[in-house]
Amino acid sequence: EVQLVESGGGLVQPGGSLRLSCAASGFTFSSYWMSWVRQAPGKGLEWVANIKQDGSEKYYVDSVKGRFTISRDNAKNSLYLQMNSLRAEDTAVYYCAREDWNHYFDYWGQGTLVTVSS
Amino acid sequence: QTVVTQEPSFSVSPGGTVTLTCGLSSGSVSTSYYPSWYQQTPGQAPRTLIYSTNTRSSGVPDRFSGSILGNKAALTITGAQADDESDYYCVLYMGSGMVFGGGTKLTVL
Repeated sequence: EVQLVESGGGLVQPGGSLRLSCAASGFTFSSYWMSWVRQAPGKGLEWVANIKQDGSEKYYVDSVKGRFTISRDNAKNSLYLQMNSLRAEDTAVYYCAREDWNHYFDYWGQGTLVTVSS
Repeated sequence: QTVVTQEPSFSVSPGGTVTLTCGLSSGSVSTSYYPSWYQQTPGQAPRTLIYSTNTRSSGVPDRFSGSILGNKAALTITGAQADDESDYYCVLYMGSGMVFGGGTKLTVL
């Protein structure tokens, strides 16, 4: 059974940093692109970043470029999102999602809440 | 940056048919964008409904169907049920990432 479990969310002050993790199981993690998707309170879903199977390609939404870094450790079956210079508008539930080869999200985690507030 | 457009809200009667659309602020949606559709209820992770324009994800009832209508991707629900009342999101593949539409809040009443 495919499972994606996010962790690392919490309350952080504006300008601070946080590192999210996503533990994957039930599939060959190193064979899939992986993404982070977020949802601000009461708002829609927003794709944040993705990373190729071997980590050689990474893409970001414009609003997080230069502040967020996506990475993965295939030996640990884990996906990460390093978030720096956090802003109030980064407050959201962050989901880890697996990308199928047909360019869609076929599995989702349950999400971890990040709150940026003083 | 590319903007993907969806109707903010829609209403359908139980048993009725509704078509939600997914467009581009500039240009037409084609199968090359691999349009996919997701259903989300409050407090839950999204559920995948349709991928590659018109392929139903495993376990999705056949009352959900996807297509290209004109210059937009479309999600049609035939014989709407009360538990179809949810938020629906489309996603387009852009080659260097994905873009979500703003979502459509569907009311069944």
